[in-house]
Amino acid sequence: EPEVTQTPSHQVTQMGQEVILRCVPISNHLYFYWYRQILGQKVEFLVSFYNNEISEKSEIFDDQFSVERPDGSNFTLKIRSTKLEDSAMYFCASSVERQRGYTFGSGTRLTVV
Amino acid sequence: DQQVKQNSPSLSVQEGRISILNCDYTNSMFDYFLWYKKYPAEGPTFLISISSIKDKNEDGRFTVFLNKSAKHLSLHIVPSQPGDSAVYFCAASGGAGGTSYGKLTFGQGTILTVHP
Repeated sequence: EPEVTQTPSHQVTQMGQEVILRCVPISNHLYFYWYRQILGQKVEFLVSFYNNEISEKSEIFDDQFSVERPDGSNFTLKIRSTKLEDSAMYFCASSVERQRGYTFGSGTRLTVV
Repeated sequence: DQQVKQNSPSLSVQEGRISILNCDYTNSMFDYFLWYKKYPAEGPTFLISISSIKDKNEDGRFTVFLNKSAKHLSLHIVPSQPGDSAVYFCAASGGAGGTSYGKLTFGQGTILTVHP
């Protein structure tokens, strides 16, 4: 069964450093998403990406965050200057159509120290 | 943001019995609802969904019921199996005048434990 692949599975970074979280969505999918889950809290929407541009973003997704689909297969989330409160599980997801059950990756656990 | 709420943090059920997981929402613009299951150290796995034009959708052991007037949905698992033990999230999408690109709003999750 096709999978969404995320790397790394765990990333530890110092506060103020830049991190890039990587995702390979399912190949025929057209819509791409990033979500995060802070420990003990809800899964929260960050951003959706369609047709090579951001289609929707949440208030969490401020100027410190950016997304890119550099080569038609990878989908990356960059956090420019990490803060302690960015520590969370980050999930990438993709879907064929916008209102269907998307496929999530296994997540990257980001720990900011 | 309490637009989607799962008021039961946990549910314990005997194997073979029915599990009923509940979810309430407040945003009347939501028009598509989904249930996800999540194991530790994995991403959410899609289980079943329902459009607001329906009140029931069934897939094997899983049935989702939608009561639009009460802004309530439920997931029924019959019969429950020990392998169903996981965290279950309901999620909703839609609204924004149809311009939503599939953003999901999640509930807090309910931990289901099915005892052998």
